[in-house]
Amino acid sequence: KNEVEQSPQNLTAQEGEFITINCSYSVGISALHWLQQHPGGGIVSLFMLSSGKKKHGRLIATINIQEKHSSLHITASHPRDSAVYICASAKYYGNNRLAFGKGNQVVVIP
Amino acid sequence: DAGITQSPRHKVTETGTPVTLRCHQTENHRYMYWYRQDPGHGLRLIHYSYGVKDTDKGEVSDGYSVSRSKTEDFLLTLESATSSQTSVYFCATGLALQSSYNEQFFGPGTRLTVL
Repeated sequence: KNEVEQSPQNLTAQEGEFITINCSYSVGISALHWLQQHPGGGIVSLFMLSSGKKKHGRLIATINIQEKHSSLHITASHPRDSAVYICASAKYYGNNRLAFGKGNQVVVIP
Repeated sequence: DAGITQSPRHKVTETGTPVTLRCHQTENHRYMYWYRQDPGHGLRLIHYSYGVKDTDKGEVSDGYSVSRSKTEDFLLTLESATSSQTSVYFCATGLALQSSYNEQFFGPGTRLTVL
């Protein structure tokens, strides 16, 4: 079992819909990262969370430390949100390494 | 943006040939990483470096070697390329601060095809 599990693996939404994707992790962590990768593109960091909630534009990330679970919400989705969203965990006593999930493929149809 | 470049961006090579990929950073980050990304697997760590001449293996290191002679450059070498090494390779860098929570900055990727 991977340390980081993401669901759903694939999601298709109509433009304007509210989207939620999920990440569960199995060990205690110091922080949880959400990354975005557009088709054929590079990987960029969206959020870094150690508790609570963060918001940037139409994106909201939440984390529940007790339940070892994080969600990424996209409000008023747009075709430009179509991307793979990758969740990664940083361990408390790690060696500056991250454990990555396999990603959520999101497609937003106009 | 951490000013990370990778070269080459695309490469096609034949089985059995040596290949070297270069990662260059301008941010003076201490940590550097090489990942490969394959469908169904996500990002997998090949090797990483925690300083000049200090490197360690990741989860998929067989068939790969690395070198870091300067802070700015981290080289990944496939001594004898195989078709199973066809992949997209990403370099990343990271700060050595506990408060950074292992945040990493990624290069644009190199698409390698081994025929």
